[in-house]
Amino acid sequence: GDSVTQMEGPVTLSEEAFLTINCTYTATGYPSLFWYVQYPGEGLQLLLKATKADDKGSNKGFEATYRKETTSFHLEKGSVQVSDSAVYFCALNENTGNQFYFGTGTSLTVIP
Amino acid sequence: EAQVTQNPRYLITVTGKKLTVTCSQNMNHEYMSWYRQDPGLGLRQIYYSMNVEVTDKGDVPEGYKVSRKEKRNFPLILESPSPNQTSLYFCASRPLLLAGETQYFGPGTRLLVL
Repeated sequence: GDSVTQMEGPVTLSEEAFLTINCTYTATGYPSLFWYVQYPGEGLQLLLKATKADDKGSNKGFEATYRKETTSFHLEKGSVQVSDSAVYFCALNENTGNQFYFGTGTSLTVIP
Repeated sequence: EAQVTQNPRYLITVTGKKLTVTCSQNMNHEYMSWYRQDPGLGLRQIYYSMNVEVTDKGDVPEGYKVSRKEKRNFPLILESPSPNQTSLYFCASRPLLLAGETQYFGPGTRLLVL
């Protein structure tokens, strides 16, 4: 069945460092891919998404490219801030639209 | 304000005592879903609903029930809670039954079953 494998955390970075969180997926067909962010005590919020191969999603300085050949959707940011400290989830929505599959989440802490 | 609300936000109960967690959305979304979040396991889908009176099992439905009698509400029912259902629960909704649409999440309900 469909699944998402996400880089284990926790990740600790200094402010202005480069961030990469790896995400790979297994799916039949052509899923849509998402990154969600969860701040402490809150629900998940959409960070960015991509619906087809080679699409690049971007938001708030974060980017991820849908790579069908490597079945990956890695999250990157060139310069992290303390306010980026949160848990990040990679997710896929299989092509019938009914079910979502999430990775295990990666906790990011950015220190000044 | 467009939102998904859940109640209660925190709940402590004992094994076997039936409970209901309510979920309501004011965005007229057809699709609603319940997830549980556990450390090291991420979010796992419990049940989802594509419209009124239409529900289906997700990956971890055992021990849970749902109903969808109205479009805006999607309660999660634990008929006989057990300690392994201690978790953080999220309700979510989205507007269309199409891949590519994001979900909108509620704030979460933290449940402890003793």
